[in-house]
Amino acid sequence: DTGVSQDPRHKITKRGQNVTFRCDPISEHNRLYWYRQTLGQGPEFLTYFQNEAQLEKSRLLSDRFSAERPKGSFSTLEIQRTEQGDSAMYLCASSLPTPNYGYTFGSGTRLTVV
Amino acid sequence: DQQVKQNSPSLSVQEGRISILNCDYTNSMFDYFLWYKKYPAEGPTFLISISSIKDKNEDGRFTVFLNKSAKHLSLHIVPSQPGDSAVYFCAASTGNQFYFGTGTSLTVIP
Repeated sequence: DTGVSQDPRHKITKRGQNVTFRCDPISEHNRLYWYRQTLGQGPEFLTYFQNEAQLEKSRLLSDRFSAERPKGSFSTLEIQRTEQGDSAMYLCASSLPTPNYGYTFGSGTRLTVV
Repeated sequence: DQQVKQNSPSLSVQEGRISILNCDYTNSMFDYFLWYKKYPAEGPTFLISISSIKDKNEDGRFTVFLNKSAKHLSLHIVPSQPGDSAVYFCAASTGNQFYFGTGTSLTVIP
């Protein structure tokens, strides 16, 4: 297990298109998180799963965003009808049930909407 | 509404000297704090943490200090090494999510 994997590393899309990102967490971590980071800012929480259940969503997560973790393992984050403001680094992290020991982050997916 | 603030966007320190990175927060309910380090093109890497019941935690060259009354925490790196050059984020939590500061870019000059 080499840590948290995210795919793709980079995505360029035209405004209005849909995009989907994938995250594979560390196998023994049952919590999975999505964060978004824009230039000059720290990561901002989007949503998190415990196993397959999505337990919390930020108000940053508009109706165009949807995240799934169907079998409690990998997760996908889909953005529909992308807008230029969606351009950001999308970070996935995983943790044990007690996240206070820190997350393990993936390298992120950098989305550019043109 | 930025609940965690890092007011210094950048810091330069000579190799071998102490680096002090600062972080302020506004929510008195935060009970756990972490520091992350981030290199370009990589995700943040967990560095060190501290619970609100403590005021100091040490791990090798890294020490985190927490001043709850001032709602302030700091990260000390002694001695600083060129490989420490990175962006450092502090983060705070009340439970399931962490709130991150905007980061401080540390440059350690050989």
